[in-house]
Amino acid sequence: SAVISQKPSRDICQRGTSLTIQCQVDSQVTMMFWYRQQPGQSLTLIATANQGSEATYESGFVIDKFPISRPNLTFSTLTVSNMSPEDSSIYLCSVEWGDGYTFGSGTRLTVV
Amino acid sequence: KNQVEQSPQSLIILEGKNCTLQCNYTVSPFSNLRWYKQDTGRGPVSLTIMTFSENTKSNGRYTATLDADTKQSSLHITASQLSDSASYICVVNLNDYKLSFGAGTTVTVRA
Repeated sequence: SAVISQKPSRDICQRGTSLTIQCQVDSQVTMMFWYRQQPGQSLTLIATANQGSEATYESGFVIDKFPISRPNLTFSTLTVSNMSPEDSSIYLCSVEWGDGYTFGSGTRLTVV
Repeated sequence: KNQVEQSPQSLIILEGKNCTLQCNYTVSPFSNLRWYKQDTGRGPVSLTIMTFSENTKSNGRYTATLDADTKQSSLHITASQLSDSASYICVVNLNDYKLSFGAGTTVTVRA
């Protein structure tokens, strides 16, 4: 299966600042997905990132808050902008591989 | 309301015992239903995948079942080990890349 390196694994940030999360895949993939997992809740898709085009955002998520870059077929970043305590969550990237989906190890973000 | 509901929310079992996790879903039709295991601090890892027409799928000590009539799936863990302590997530693949996730069942295995 594809292997995803996601970093940072965790961070504690001050409100009003921004954090950029990186995901590197060991294989070329067309689509990369970014999810948010709030405490005790299911994963929620934030956006889908294709190389060379703007990301497609799900309802409730906007580009100004969660800008995404996808410069090539193996790399993507998600930025959480102007953070507030409500943004404290685990953020995960994912790719489709074979008959399943592979996930990064997640970034645990705490906003204070 | 979530399209995928899991129960129980959490459970504690003794090492060596069996347990069964439940997943009820409302979406239909769907491409496949997956069970994932998520260790603390890790991303979800696929355990089983079943298409709409399959009834059961095993992966070692993990056995998943699917009843399309009642829209229920279960994950049975046999002879639990300490390493089975994790969150187990039921995921319904609606179409293409659209996935609907359950909130997960947290399993704690105690010696």
